[in-house]
Amino acid sequence: RKEVEQDPGPFNVPEGATVAFNCTYSNSASQSFFWYRQDCRKEPKLLMSVYSSGNEDGRFTAQLNRASQYISLLIRDSKLSDSATYLCVVPEGGSQGNLIFGKGTKLSVKP
Amino acid sequence: DARVTQTPRHKVTEMGQEVTMRCQPILGHNTVFWYRQTMMQGLELLAYFRNRAPLDDSGMPKDRFSAEMPDATLATLKIQPSEPRDSAVYFCASGLGLSGANVLTFGAGSRLTVL
Repeated sequence: RKEVEQDPGPFNVPEGATVAFNCTYSNSASQSFFWYRQDCRKEPKLLMSVYSSGNEDGRFTAQLNRASQYISLLIRDSKLSDSATYLCVVPEGGSQGNLIFGKGTKLSVKP
Repeated sequence: DARVTQTPRHKVTEMGQEVTMRCQPILGHNTVFWYRQTMMQGLELLAYFRNRAPLDDSGMPKDRFSAEMPDATLATLKIQPSEPRDSAVYFCASGLGLSGANVLTFGAGSRLTVL
């Protein structure tokens, strides 16, 4: 099965900091990518989709480097409420639609 | 907001007992996934369905686990007999399975403890 690798962290940062996570994937055929956010004892929820070189939504920027097969998530001006685990998600390939989840990167934003 | 509904939310049972978890996907979604999450393994795919047909259940221990979709509004995951190592959170997720991208909406999960 194709792999998705993430730094597990935890990343401990102060409020207002900029933090970036990387995710590497092995399936070079993947065309679309996702970042999900999971709060403690909750279900994962979609944060961002990445279909081309990148995507920006407010303080969050996702970038895709197809040549090196990695995706990054940048969070600017981090808030206490950003504390969560961020899951990198890559389709397994083809048209079946299965998604491979990374184990997640834990972020803790401190006052 | 449309949501994926899972029952039960919590289940404590003894080793050897049968456990059935149920999932109601979002109306109109044609793909349904079952994932298991533990601290050690993260999210593991157990099985998924497209248009009620099973597409992949290679992640599921066949001797004790079974997954079915008796109709478009119900997916079930059954463990018989249950073992302590099955203790985990089981998530159901549904999506609109177009070619390539498949954005999933997760249910709140069923937290299983097998004693």
